[in-house]
Amino acid sequence: DAGVTQSPTHLIKTRGQQVTLRCSPKSGHDTVSWYQQALGQGPQFIFQYYEEEERQRGNFPDRFSGHQFPNYSSELNVNALLLGDSALYLCASSQGGTGELFFGEGSRLTVL
Amino acid sequence: AQKVTQAQTEISVVEKEDVTLDCVYETRDTTYYLFWYKQPPSGELVFLIRRNSFDEQNEISGRYSWNFQKSTSSFNFTITASQVVDSAVYFCALSDSSGGSYIPTFGRGTSLIVHP
Repeated sequence: DAGVTQSPTHLIKTRGQQVTLRCSPKSGHDTVSWYQQALGQGPQFIFQYYEEEERQRGNFPDRFSGHQFPNYSSELNVNALLLGDSALYLCASSQGGTGELFFGEGSRLTVL
Repeated sequence: AQKVTQAQTEISVVEKEDVTLDCVYETRDTTYYLFWYKQPPSGELVFLIRRNSFDEQNEISGRYSWNFQKSTSSFNFTITASQVVDSAVYFCALSDSSGGSYIPTFGRGTSLIVHP
């Protein structure tokens, strides 16, 4: 049973560029959440997708957008990258709204 | 608004010592969920436990135990006879209905270092 998988694992971008991160949820899960984790901090909620729609959003600017596909996989897009966007981006899947989150290993983004 | 405080930034112990990681939370809801996650150097957060607000019974799982006290809004985590493999960052999280759905809010984490 595959867990949550994310790609790419590491990437380097320059300021102003755009990035797309991908996530495949754990088998049987229909909800995908994205978190940003800066160095030495706890994960910060970006948004959650359910039934291909954004169900809830954290305090992140519109430069952060996402999508969920019919097979429940998801993408996170960040436009006009800033140095402060450098972080570990974690995808988590769950079944329903109150279940425990299962996390992937994350995509580490470095913005130069 | 929901909030989770993990006052201990880093704890260093020697193998076989017992260690307790503190977690204090704030919420206005009567229905909420509390979690603990472990984050090893690989980066993946590993689920350890979920507790709902109506179940104050303490739980033990092997060397791990959790003490939930609503009176002090705390959900502390104890590792008995710590091992080097327990070295990781541990996060406490809270989810309630603020915002319309139950989205976990994480504390800043406690880094546990277990020396051989």
